[in-house]
Amino acid sequence: EAGVTQFPSHSVIEKGQTVTLRCDPISGHDNLYWYRRVMGKEIKFLLHFVKESKQDESGMPNNRFLAERTGGTYSTLKVQPAELEDSGVYFCASSQGASRGYTFGSGTRLTVV
Amino acid sequence: QKEVEQNSGPLSVPEGAIASLNCTYSDRGSQSFFWYRQYSGKSPELIMFIYSNGDKEDGRFTAQLNKASQYVSLLIRDSQPSDSATYLCAVNSHNTNAGKSTFGDGTTLTVKP
Repeated sequence: EAGVTQFPSHSVIEKGQTVTLRCDPISGHDNLYWYRRVMGKEIKFLLHFVKESKQDESGMPNNRFLAERTGGTYSTLKVQPAELEDSGVYFCASSQGASRGYTFGSGTRLTVV
Repeated sequence: QKEVEQNSGPLSVPEGAIASLNCTYSDRGSQSFFWYRQYSGKSPELIMFIYSNGDKEDGRFTAQLNKASQYVSLLIRDSQPSDSATYLCAVNSHNTNAGKSTFGDGTTLTVKP
């Protein structure tokens, strides 16, 4: 079984630019989550999809962040325009059941300069 | 007060000893509890989950949950150098049926040969 795939693995962009992160969950996993870890902080929830619907987006920091999951398969997280404080590692995770724990992707390390 | 707190670490134990990792949480209605292991530069990996009070054993790992004390722990018996990693405690609140997890900062464990 293929795991959760994220790309790019690293991205360095200038402040004000746009970046799009992609996540391919494990096939058959309806639940897809985005989390991020900024320097020195704990992993924090961004949002949760069930299939193509946003179940919970309470963790999205502001309207510069837009997540989509068209067709209930892969998901994208767009940051536009990027700010310095957006730097960190963005993790995607998927699960079959809502409370069975996650399989994480390897993460995208975003650096905004 | 943080929602999920872990002993600050780092924790160092000799090979073959028992490592004890602790976690407390603030939401008394929390339902699901998880331990993830994260090697340096890698993504978190689920190693245990527990829902009910008491102990749950899986190989060398035992998760212990005490909802009255709002406390969950992870014991690693016969610790090996390969267990050296950061261990993350995660808690799912009863306020969501959607699997959102709140993470602690993690405790770094070093097992010395």
